[in-house]
This record gives sequence, C-alpha cells and structure tokens, in this order.
Amino acid sequence: DGGITQSPKYLFRKEGQNVTLSCEQNLNHDAMYWYRQDPGQGLRLIYYSQIVNDFQKGDIAEGYSVSREKKESFPLTVTSAQKNPTAFYLCASSIAGRGTEAFFGQGTRLTVV
Amino acid sequence: DAKTTQPNSMESNEEEPVHLPCNHSTISGTDYIHWYRQLPSQGPEYVIHGLTSNVNNRMASLAIAEDRKSSTLILHRATLRDAAVYYCILRFTGNQFYFGTGTSLTVIP
Repeated sequence: DGGITQSPKYLFRKEGQNVTLSCEQNLNHDAMYWYRQDPGQGLRLIYYSQIVNDFQKGDIAEGYSVSREKKESFPLTVTSAQKNPTAFYLCASSIAGRGTEAFFGQGTRLTVV
Repeated sequence: DAKTTQPNSMESNEEEPVHLPCNHSTISGTDYIHWYRQLPSQGPEYVIHGLTSNVNNRMASLAIAEDRKSSTLILHRATLRDAAVYYCILRFTGNQFYFGTGTSLTVIP
C-alpha cells in the first residue's frame, strides 16, 4: 500500500528538549513538505524539499530544522529555540510540478509539558 | 497577504448541492487552483485541481472563472461525510502549497 506515514501520532516533550518527528513516504515522490497547524487555523509551511539533499525554508522555519538524506524520508526536528512548539504537525509529499496533488500523512500532535 | 479568500463557514442541507466560493485575485497565469478538505485531527485530503477549464471528478466539480480570479467547488449532493474544512489553495512556482484558513462546511440532516 502506497502512502505517507508520520510517527508518532502523539508526542510529549519537556521544555528545553529537542524532538524529531518522522515522515516516510513510499510513493516515489520528489517533493516533501512540513506544515504546522494551530487550533482553528489553516496550515503554515515550515520547510519543503524538492529533491534529496536540498530543502528551503517556508514561512515559519525559525526553531525548526530538517534533513533530506533519502528520497523517502524527511524528518523534522523541533528545537528548544521554538518558542511555542505545541501544535499539530503535518507532512506531505507530491510529484514535482504544479499540476499534481499532494498526499498528506495523518499528523503528529506535539505537546510541550 | 492572503493569496486566497474564502468564507469562514457555510451550511448546507443533506442531499442538496453546495457551492463553495474562493477568490484569488492575484493569481498568475501558471498557478494551479487546488482544493483539499480536512476532518478534525486528520491530514487534508485532495479533492480536485485545475488550471483554466472546469474540472469534474468523482468527488466534486471545479468551476473556474474566465479571468481565473475566482473559483467555485461544487459538491453535487452533500452528505454528512462531506462536513469538513475545505481549503482553496494556489500552487506556486517552487511547488509550495499555501493554505488559508478555509471554509468550515456544516451539513444539516
């Protein structure tokens, strides 16, 4: 079954700790994305990658880091520099090209305790 | 600066058609118009997309204005399963998808 998998579904973190969210896809897509969603809000772009070993900042990249060492994987690290990390995080992938749709994972809900 | 503008909420009776509007007055000639929908605590689901011509698929229809500054997502017969937040998105150069706040659709039985 082809798809995009995010893990874990729920994550709790103590203040001051870094945490890494996993995103894996087996759709052979070149482009991958990370979004953040706050309650009652739309999705905001954190980082995106169009090809292995290359990625670009989105609108809210401060306090986050990513890597793209393999085509199928795009992990997001939420660092201690992120002032308000509690949110719903969504990963997506797509074929490069504006006429193609994105496929989303089911999200990771991060709570800072 | 908002790239798309949608009403915050809409209601529809079950089994009636629903027309969800979207304004995108700053659209460029090569930007595609995408629609996605999202249920609570789930990832968005693709609905439909188009460039200039109207599009139909098994889920919905997309009507694009001739000047491309607005579009309408049409659900032909709303069901309770269609209750969701619907996002109208422009896909830009560089392949980003930029989401707005969307329209929350309530379907009344």
